[in-house]
Amino acid sequence: QVQLVESGGGVVQPGGSLRLSCAASGFTFGNYDMHWVRQAPDKGLEWVAVISYDTNRNYYSDSVQGRFTISADKSKNTLYLQMNSLRVEDTAVYYCAKVLKGHSSSWCFDHWGQGTLVTVSS
Amino acid sequence: DIQMTQSPSTLSASVGDRVTITCRASQSITRWLAWYQQKPGKAPKLLIYDASSLQGGVPSRFSGSGSGTEFTLTISSLQPDDFATYYCQQYNTYSRAAFGQGTLVEIK
Repeated sequence: QVQLVESGGGVVQPGGSLRLSCAASGFTFGNYDMHWVRQAPDKGLEWVAVISYDTNRNYYSDSVQGRFTISADKSKNTLYLQMNSLRVEDTAVYYCAKVLKGHSSSWCFDHWGQGTLVTVSS
Repeated sequence: DIQMTQSPSTLSASVGDRVTITCRASQSITRWLAWYQQKPGKAPKLLIYDASSLQGGVPSRFSGSGSGTEFTLTISSLQPDDFATYYCQQYNTYSRAAFGQGTLVEIK
């Protein structure tokens, strides 16, 4: 069965950095676009970033463009999110998510990780 | 960027009620819309994709309809397990995805 397990969250000061990981199993990792979605405390869902199945294309929300970098290691079936220049407003639970259809630009998410909490505070 | 607006923000209903949530897009997204259910402390769960396709394992009391800019999620007979927050999400634009602000379905 598909499993997505995030790690790497924690408390960091404003301006600091953190790298999140998402270990994937139960599917052919290299066939699916993978995303990060976040949710601030008691707020809605916010799409953050995507990496294409072939790792050739990355896209970001305006709120993280230039500060966050998404990457993937197919040999380890692992997705990453490098977060630099963190701000208080980046505080959220970060989810990795797998798209429903392989080799497709149809970005609806059929599997999600359990989430990892990132707290940016001085 | 495409903006997604859900209504209502909160809905009070009783078990057995028929419930409808609306999602409007700021421009046409054809049928590239999904609906999710989220319970407190849990990850979202995909209910509907491509506006009206029921995800495997999701009860048939859930249905989706619409195209272009207006979409609805209907729960035909609300069950105790359905009290949750529901989100729509557009995926028309390759390079951006966007969620609605959410609709809380609470017990009346």
